[in-house]
Amino acid sequence: GENVEQHPSTLSVQEGDSAVIKCTYSDSASNYFPWYKQELGKRPQLIIDIRSNVGEKKDQRIAVTLNKTAKHFSLHITETQPEDSAVYFCAARAGGSYIPTFGRGTSLIVHP
Amino acid sequence: EAGVVQSPRYKIIEKKQPVAFWCNPISGHNTLYWYRQNLGQGPELLIRYENEEAVDDSQLPKDRFSAERLKGVDSTLKIQPAELGDSAVYLCASSLQGQGVNEQFFGPGTRLTVL
Repeated sequence: GENVEQHPSTLSVQEGDSAVIKCTYSDSASNYFPWYKQELGKRPQLIIDIRSNVGEKKDQRIAVTLNKTAKHFSLHITETQPEDSAVYFCAARAGGSYIPTFGRGTSLIVHP
Repeated sequence: EAGVVQSPRYKIIEKKQPVAFWCNPISGHNTLYWYRQNLGQGPELLIRYENEEAVDDSQLPKDRFSAERLKGVDSTLKIQPAELGDSAVYLCASSLQGQGVNEQFFGPGTRLTVL
C-alpha cells in the first residue's frame, strides 16, 4: 500500500517568513495529493490539492509543488501569519481509490 | 450548507465499556468514511461506505469494532468493549462520488478517552 512520509514534524517561523513542508510517497500510481489544515481541536480542512498532471499550483499565499519522478510534493506558505499556526497534513491517493493515505502531520507555529 | 455532524463531541468511559459514535454526512454525499486519529498523527481509515455498503473495512478491528450505515445516510461506529488504546479522535468524513477528485469533508470528530 501507499506510504507517506512528512517532514518536519514541527516548524517554527517568524511572522512574515516562508514555511515549507515536504512529503514523499511510495506508490507511483498515486495521482491526487491534498493538503489539510487542522487547527487545535478542530476538523481537518482542505486548503489546496494537486493532481499528478500538474507540477505546481498556487492559491494566494499557499502553493504546492509536485515532483512525480522523485515522488515528493511540498507545501509552501509565504508571508506567514499567526493564524497560519496549525497542524498541516499531506496525503496521497492512488488512481481509482477513494482513500487517501495521510502523513503524520507538521505542527506549524508562527510567532508574531 | 450544513457540514458533517458528529456526536458526541467528547466521551469518557472506563475500559471494557461499550461506546457508540454517530455521524450525519453532508446531504447527498453517498460516500462516508470513519477515521481514527491518534495524538500527533494523521487520520487512519477504519471503514468506508458507498451508500449503505461497506467497501473498505480491512483496517477495522472487527473483534471489537462495528459500524453500520442504515439507509445510506447516517452512520454509527461502535466499540465493545473499549480498551485503553482506543483513546483517540474518531473522525467522520463524507464525499460525493463522481465529482472531480471527490474532496472529503470532515466532521469535528469525537474525542474518546478510555480510563
